Amino acid sequence: DAGVIQSPRHEVTEMGQEVTLRCKPISGHDYLFWYRQTMMRGLELLIYFNNNVPIDDSGMPEDRFSAKMPNASFSTLKIQPSEPRDSAVYFCASSPHRGAGYTFGSGTRLTVV
Amino acid sequence: TQLLEQSPQFLSIQEGENLTVYCNSSSVFSSLQWYRQEPGEGPVLLVTVVTGGEVKKLKRLTFQFGDARKDSSLHITAAQPGDTGLYLCAGAHPRAGGTSYGKLTFGQGTILTVHP
Repeated sequence: DAGVIQSPRHEVTEMGQEVTLRCKPISGHDYLFWYRQTMMRGLELLIYFNNNVPIDDSGMPEDRFSAKMPNASFSTLKIQPSEPRDSAVYFCASSPHRGAGYTFGSGTRLTVV
Repeated sequence: TQLLEQSPQFLSIQEGENLTVYCNSSSVFSSLQWYRQEPGEGPVLLVTVVTGGEVKKLKRLTFQFGDARKDSSLHITAAQPGDTGLYLCAGAHPRAGGTSYGKLTFGQGTILTVHP
């Protein structure tokens, strides 16, 4: 298994531009999570899906952030418009069932200038 | 909100020394996990502890879950430079947590540096 695959690994964009981060979870994992990691705030859960349905999006900072999971093998996190304070490493993780360990992707390092 | 406090935040030691990292909360978790993260990569699961008082060993690493399932510790014996990294504890919310059920709350992490 190739694990959780995220793309791109690095993204540098200008303030105001739209950014789309992509994730392919492990096949058979019913849960998918989007996290953001910064030095100041650590790992923050943004949103999670169960069987492609968003369950808890209370961590999404504001309306500029949106996430979709059109099928079991693909999810996107979109930021529109992006701002410098969105700069962080964004991780996608998947899990086979509630309470099970997560498998994280390698992350996307986003820099908004 | 269920919070996990990790201590210490930073730990710098020499190869061969022993160390303990603590993870504490005022809330009960159904299980607790420990992850290790290296620069440029995502966290990797080390262990899951489920039962209060449970002790698990992984080579030189010993993990303990508190009797009340509110705290945990990670002890490393004879640390090696390869142990260097960010150690994260994460608690799974119990069934009564509504949409939080099964969601993990992560501590802020302990940055461990082991010098040769």
